[in-house]
Amino acid sequence: SYELTQPPSVSVSPGQTARITCSGAALSKEFVYWYQQRPGQTPLLVIYEDTKRPSGIPERFSGSTSGTTVTLAISGVQAEDEADYYCQSSDGAATFQGVFGGGTRLTVL
Amino acid sequence: QVRLLQSGAEVKTPGASVKVSCLASGYNFSAHIIHWVRQARGQGLEYMGWINSKTGGPNYVQKFRGRVTMTRDTSTATAYMELSNLRSDDTAVYYCARLGKGGYWGQGTQVTVSS
Repeated sequence: SYELTQPPSVSVSPGQTARITCSGAALSKEFVYWYQQRPGQTPLLVIYEDTKRPSGIPERFSGSTSGTTVTLAISGVQAEDEADYYCQSSDGAATFQGVFGGGTRLTVL
Repeated sequence: QVRLLQSGAEVKTPGASVKVSCLASGYNFSAHIIHWVRQARGQGLEYMGWINSKTGGPNYVQKFRGRVTMTRDTSTATAYMELSNLRSDDTAVYYCARLGKGGYWGQGTQVTVSS
C-alpha cells in the first residue's frame, strides 16, 4: 500500500527553523496537507495544497515541494509549536484514497 | 461556521459492532466528502476511508474492507461509520473530517474494546 515517510522526530532550539520532510512516490502529482496536533487536541490544518497557509496560521509556517518530497518549515520556532506534525495526501489512484505520514514529533529544546 | 459534531464515547466487547455518527452543519452537506480517520493512544493518524455525501458511495481502505460500513443521511446531514467484529486493537479515537482546503475535524469519539 502507498506510504508517506516522515522522520519520527525533529528537535530545534527556540528561534531556529524546523524543517519536517514528507516523501511519497505520488507527491509530484498530488497535493499535500500538513496538520499540527498538540496532545489531547484534534489535528489543525497549518498548510494546504503544498504551500498555502489557512487564515489564522502564523506566517512562520510555510510549505515547499521538490519532486516527491515536500517540506514543512517553521521559522522562529516557539515553545507553542511543540507538537506532532502529520502530512496527508492522496494515493494518486483514480479513486482518491487518503493517506497520512507516520507523524513527526517536534521538540523545542 | 463549519462544524462536525460526533457521538459520544462507546465501550464494546470483542466481536461487537460500533456505529459512530457525525452531524455536519454550516455548509452544504452534499457538496463535500466525509473522511474517517482513527488514532490509537500514542499512535499516529490512520486513514480508514470516505463516503461521498451526495451519492452515498463509499471508498474503504483495504485494511478495513469487510468490517467497515460508511453511510450518510442527507435529510439530517449526518454521516455514519460502523465497524464490526471489534478487536482490542480497534480501541482508538475515531474522527470524521472534511479534509482538503478547510481541514475540518469532528471532536473525536473514543471507542474502547474490552472484555
